[in-house]
Amino acid sequence: GQNIDQPTEMTATEGAIVQINCTYQTSGFNGLFWYQQHAGEAPTFLSYNVLDGLEEKGRFSSFLSRSKGYSYLLLKELQMKDSASYLCAVRPWMDSSYKLIFGSGTRLLVRP
Amino acid sequence: DVKVTQSSRYLVKRTGEKVFLECVQDMDHENMFWYRQDPGLGLRLIYFSYDVKMKEKGDIPEGYSVSREKKERFSLILESASTNQTSMYLCASSLDLSEWEQYFGPGTRLTVT
Repeated sequence: GQNIDQPTEMTATEGAIVQINCTYQTSGFNGLFWYQQHAGEAPTFLSYNVLDGLEEKGRFSSFLSRSKGYSYLLLKELQMKDSASYLCAVRPWMDSSYKLIFGSGTRLLVRP
Repeated sequence: DVKVTQSSRYLVKRTGEKVFLECVQDMDHENMFWYRQDPGLGLRLIYFSYDVKMKEKGDIPEGYSVSREKKERFSLILESASTNQTSMYLCASSLDLSEWEQYFGPGTRLTVT
């Protein structure tokens, strides 16, 4: 079966760094995605990893280890507006590249 | 910017009613998707379409059907709404099978009483 695990909730302080982990077990692997979703809004794309290593985009970085079935999203210099849910999603099959399997999401609360 | 719109933000229907949720995208995308989002379960794929009049079942298609008569519009139909279909429904689109980013609409929160 397909399984994606992420912590349910995290709390961090404004200006700090937070790491949100995601582990997955899927039949095949063709990319891992992170989305941000503010309460009551649509998810928006943050990052995409298909090869091992770190992808950096401004304050946000995403890391992938395919051998470990593990990814993390790193948020630096946290701002209050970063309070949101962060969704990890995996595209499992090479021949069905349109499907994404989503984790339950991690709700991040940034405190002053 | 890609824009994906959904016909209603909030909807309240009675058990047994037929419900239509509409989704429109304005970027000529090939693929469109319907998800439902429930606390603790994340986004689950109901149906998707990779071309006009083409559709495939996702992970939880039971109790739902879809229609895609025009490229820009993808409808989700609840033939006979039930209380366990109370949920947030999200529509998404992507350019083609090689395009990995999905663009989401704002969602429709459906309550079935």
